[in-house]
Amino acid sequence: QKEVEQNSGPLSVPEGAIASLNCTYSDRGSQSFFWYRQYSGKSPELIMFIYSNGDKEDGRFTAQLNKASQYVSLLIRDSQPSDSATYLCAAAAAGRRALTFGSGTRLQVQP
Amino acid sequence: GAVVSQHPSRVICKSGTSVKIECRSLDFQATTMFWYRQFPKQSLMLMATSNEGSKATYEQGVEKDKFLINHASLTLSTLTVTSAHPEDSSFYICSARGGWGGITGELFFGEGSRLTVL
Repeated sequence: QKEVEQNSGPLSVPEGAIASLNCTYSDRGSQSFFWYRQYSGKSPELIMFIYSNGDKEDGRFTAQLNKASQYVSLLIRDSQPSDSATYLCAAAAAGRRALTFGSGTRLQVQP
Repeated sequence: GAVVSQHPSRVICKSGTSVKIECRSLDFQATTMFWYRQFPKQSLMLMATSNEGSKATYEQGVEKDKFLINHASLTLSTLTVTSAHPEDSSFYICSARGGWGGITGELFFGEGSRLTVL
């Protein structure tokens, strides 16, 4: 079983819609969670991180964390074609400084 | 924000040769750096954790004699792929974490180095 799981997609949404990206993790020791965006051929760039249960909003992005269900999500409001990329979910466990990445979900925003 | 620079961005080499990739933290001191490898359409796989002034810690299945890591200063880590073979062709990405600790783990990625071994 993978430690961090994501649906590979592609997830296709029309421009202006809300894109919902989901991630589950198996290690209950995971303390903080990250969402990265990766364009093809480029390295990941951090969108946001979350470590408390509930929602965290930053502009058009909202991260949601439910530790009881071991579930993390990222909502992108007013999706734009420039949001088309692969979104990587990552988890950091206590005592382990490296991140464990999911395989990523490819998002396609249709103009 | 903090910047991590990686060089070269692309390298093509012949099978059997060695290739060195550099990772520099430009505006902060990185006590820990991480080296990841990413094959096409796959996720980032951690290869090793590099700590300044000490030996790197390699993940299971990663050959330490093949992937030499040196973290000689707080701003520079290098990955050398020795006797490269076509199966080593991949996207290598470094990540640097500053010394300020905190809960967020590493935050900053280099631009990545695409290695093609002919």
